[in-house]
Amino acid sequence: DIQMTQSPSSLSASVGDRVTITCQASQDISNFLNWYQQKPGKAPKLLIYDASNLETGVPSGFTGSGSGTDFTFTISSLQPEDVATYYCQQYDNFPWTFGQGTKVEIK
Amino acid sequence: QVQLVQSGAEVKKPGASVKVSCKASGYAFTNYAFTWVRQAPGQGLEWMGWISAYNGRRNYAEKLQGRVTMTTEKSTSTAYMELRSLRSDDTALYYCARLGMDIAAMPTGGFDYWGQGTLVTVSS
Repeated sequence: DIQMTQSPSSLSASVGDRVTITCQASQDISNFLNWYQQKPGKAPKLLIYDASNLETGVPSGFTGSGSGTDFTFTISSLQPEDVATYYCQQYDNFPWTFGQGTKVEIK
Repeated sequence: QVQLVQSGAEVKKPGASVKVSCKASGYAFTNYAFTWVRQAPGQGLEWMGWISAYNGRRNYAEKLQGRVTMTTEKSTSTAYMELRSLRSDDTALYYCARLGMDIAAMPTGGFDYWGQGTLVTVSS
């Protein structure tokens, strides 16, 4: 199975800060990587697909980049409504796997 | 608008089975696939498998092989996930989600719409 390792596991930042989360795959997954946001008590929401494509309706302050084994997800200016857990997910090989999640809080 | 509406919470005893439904609306049912993801209390997301609503092609997570069956019913635009021989560690929130298919009818892209989740509790 492909292991997806997210870093950090949690972070606390101030409103307006730039926030970066990394996701490393245990083997080359090309660009078959998605990013999701999950707010407490809610279903996950797709933000970025195929590593860098912004899902329709998602604010442009969310960006994704990378290919191969190393990927980055960025929130350009953290807002209170961005408090959530963020997950990366690969779909290059079965079984599809998720990272363990990064919990983002406001300082 | 696209909606996925799941069946209600279930409480089951160890060894029993559960079947969760996911009724889709607002789009052409057979143009997409479904995936199922579960989340144990306080834990992360675990992928369970996917099924094409076009041709029934499917793939399950190996750890669930032999206990899980995913199906779709075109007449009612509904996807189902059945899990058998339930254990306490199957207690989780179960989500269905939609995903696209490429020209070869293989799954592609992200899980763009999600159901509201169905809590399955396994307890004696």
